[in-house]
Amino acid sequence: EDQVTQSPEALRLQEGESSSLNCSYTVSGLRGLFWYRQDPGKGPEFLFTLYSAGEEKEKERLKATLTKKESFLHITAPKPEDSATYLCAVRNGGATNKLIFGTGTLLAVQP
Amino acid sequence: DTEVTQTPKHLVMGMTNKKSLKCEQHMGHRAMYWYKQKAKKPPELMFVYSYEKLSINESVPSRFSPECPNSSLLNLHLHALQPEDSALYLCASSQDSGAGNTIYFGEGSWLTVV
Repeated sequence: EDQVTQSPEALRLQEGESSSLNCSYTVSGLRGLFWYRQDPGKGPEFLFTLYSAGEEKEKERLKATLTKKESFLHITAPKPEDSATYLCAVRNGGATNKLIFGTGTLLAVQP
Repeated sequence: DTEVTQTPKHLVMGMTNKKSLKCEQHMGHRAMYWYKQKAKKPPELMFVYSYEKLSINESVPSRFSPECPNSSLLNLHLHALQPEDSALYLCASSQDSGAGNTIYFGEGSWLTVV
């Protein structure tokens, strides 16, 4: 069964304290791994799409990497405005091409 | 700013009311989606439209009725809802429904059923 597990569930950082969020996945025929940021009461905001192991993408303080079993979202020198829930999702090559989400990591960055 | 626009942002309705949620995208996408999200949970897929035709219904109760009037618009008609249907309803779109395409979400419509 296709599955996505995110860890930790919650993470509290001091401003400037770099860290990584983990997304482990089991999927039959990965067709894309997606990272989203979600602020309270709002829809998920797209961050990155990764397609193959070894791929990396960067945007401001965020960098996403992908292996055959997991993805990491590295946050360098975070700021309070980076506080949000970060969602990881995968799509398989099955009949429905569903987006399968993890339960998210709630990140709080203290000033 | 998201290019998927949803209205209204907030809706309160009684269990006997009929209301609609509306969604519009101008990215030329040919796949549109409705998701439901409860507090502290990830979004759950409800419906997928591909080229204006309903392609996936995730066993959603008939009190939710989707409609795709054209390639840019998606509606969700609501009737005889239950309090447990209160949630954030998200519209989304992608270039097409093929695997690998990025799905872009709107800001959502908060629905409260009283």
